Amino acid sequence: SQTIHQWPATLVQPVGSPLSLECTVEGTSNPNLYWYRQAAGRGLQLLFYSVGIGQISSEVPQNLSASRPQDRQFILSSKKLLLSDSGFYLCAWALANNEQFFGPGTRLTVL
Amino acid sequence: SQKIEQNSEALNIQEGKTATLTCNYTNYSPAYLQWYRQDPGRGPVFLLLIRENEKEKRKERLKVTFDTTLKQSLFHITASQPADSATYLCALPGWGSSNTGKLIFGQGTTLQVKP
Repeated sequence: SQTIHQWPATLVQPVGSPLSLECTVEGTSNPNLYWYRQAAGRGLQLLFYSVGIGQISSEVPQNLSASRPQDRQFILSSKKLLLSDSGFYLCAWALANNEQFFGPGTRLTVL
Repeated sequence: SQKIEQNSEALNIQEGKTATLTCNYTNYSPAYLQWYRQDPGRGPVFLLLIRENEKEKRKERLKVTFDTTLKQSLFHITASQPADSATYLCALPGWGSSNTGKLIFGQGTTLQVKP
């Protein structure tokens, strides 16, 4: 069966520090991968998606970047965090135009 | 641009009643629509997908309708239970989604079922 992992589960970082969040998927091949952010009390905002290794599409211009170095690995990064980067970061995978399966999320607080 | 609207006010109902949640969309003709459940501090969990040529879909106590003329989907939970309390999100394929499967989510409606 397929599983999706995200780490860390929680993170507290100072403004201006770098960020690296990792997501890995097991049990499937060539999935579409997605990064979302959910601010407190808000809906899901799609940040990046990827349909293959090295292929990244950005939905919202911002202080973040994403990379997909391996088929089932998706990384979200920032060189310098802003206060507004705080939120709940969710990774998801899907096969083509089907349902998405979400990871457990990372709660990021930028102070 | 695409716009998805869900009732931002929480829906409070009594156990055993039917809960009905609404999802409206504009500027768009989606090929399908999905519903997810999200519990606090957790990622969303897929519930149902309904395609544009399907009027209605059922799964156990869940029923989804899709009216492409009204540009609206209704999500029903019959015989609701306190365990159904959660936030329910509707999602539509984003512009240019092709085979990317990218989704645009509504804000979600929080359902509270009281015993």
